[in-house]
Order: sequence, then structure tokens, then C-alpha cells
Amino acid sequence: EVQLVESGGGLSHPGGSVRLSCAASGFNFRSYAMAWVRQAPGKGLEWVSAISADGDSPYYADSVKGRFTISRDNSKNTLYLQMNSLRTDDTAVYYCAKFGGIWLQPLDYWGQGALVTVSS
Amino acid sequence: EIVLTQSPGTLSLSPGERATLSCGASQSVWSSKIAWYKQKPGQAPRLLIFGASTRAAGIPDRFSGSGSGTDFILTISRLEPEDFAVYYCQQYGSSPFTFGPGTKVDLK
Repeated sequence: EVQLVESGGGLSHPGGSVRLSCAASGFNFRSYAMAWVRQAPGKGLEWVSAISADGDSPYYADSVKGRFTISRDNSKNTLYLQMNSLRTDDTAVYYCAKFGGIWLQPLDYWGQGALVTVSS
Repeated sequence: EIVLTQSPGTLSLSPGERATLSCGASQSVWSSKIAWYKQKPGQAPRLLIFGASTRAAGIPDRFSGSGSGTDFILTISRLEPEDFAVYYCQQYGSSPFTFGPGTKVDLK
């Protein structure tokens, strides 16, 4: 059974940093691209970032480019999102999601999400 | 960046009725790489349709997708109580892999 479990959410001040982790199990992690998608309270889904299966190719939404860094450790079956220079509009539930294949595939499994609140 | 629009914003229907949801793209979506997701309150999204028209594993056949280029449709042939939710389209043909704003299907 595929499982994605996010951790590391919480409260941060504007300008602060948070690191999210996503522990994956039930599939061959190193064979699949992964993504982060966020959802602000009461709002829709926003694609944040994705990373290739080998970790060499990261992609970012313009709204987070230069502030967020996606990475993965295929030996630990874990996906990360380092979030720096946080702003109040980064407040959201952050979902870890698995691509259905190596690249250009839909997101076929999602974690339950980690809430990040940015407030002074 | 491909911008997706969805209409209507809210669809008020009764169980047993047919739902037709639209997703429009600002430019042609490569290889019709459009997915549809369903999300209920407090839950993670769930993949329904990919490649514009292929149902994901375990998705009942009352859900169907169609379209190509810039215009895509999700149809729910007969609404069941569990289908009242928010539906999002997403294009995954080119980064950034944008989502539409969603269509809420609620009880009339």
C-alpha cells in the first residue's frame, strides 16, 4: 500500500524557515517523480514544486522560486521542501504527492498534508 | 505558464442528475495531459481521470472525461451522495503543472 506521510509543519514568523519532510513507503520511491502542492485555507490547489525521480531536476512555481528548495533522498525514501523567507501568503496545507511515473504523469497518490502557518 | 479556468464555479444538483464540468486552458495542453481530481472537505485530493479520458484505478464508470487542445470536460452521469465535492482539473504536460480554480458540486 502506497503511503505518504508529511511532517515538519507548524508556526513560523514572516521571514522564517520551515522544512517539510515526506516519508514514502509501499512503492519504489527512486523510480517516481514527486511533487508538493499547497492549499491555502478555504482556497484551491496550487502546484508548488516537483522533482525528477533521480533528484537532478527540480521545478518551481514562480510564487516560490528562489525561496523554496525541493530535494529528495532516495536512500531514505524521503522528499523534502525547504521553505525560506516565508510570507503570510505561504500559509497553507502542504501536500506531498507522487507522480504516476517518471515524469509528465498525474499525481496518483497524496499524503494527508502538513499545515504551515506564517504569522507574526 | 498555462492558465486553467473552470466553469461553473458552483453546480447545484440533486442525486441522480448529470453533472458537466468544464476546464479551459490558455494554450493547447500537450498530448491532452489533463487530470481531474476530487476533493472532499478535510481530505486530500483523489485522482479521477488522467490523459483527459482515462479513469484512474477504482474510479466508477459514471465518471468520464473528454476533450483535447484547450477544452476539456468531466461528466458524472448520475450523481451519487459521495460525489458532492470540489473538482479540480490540472495540466501536467508542461511545468508549471497548474491547477484550475475548481468547481464545487453541491446539493440543490
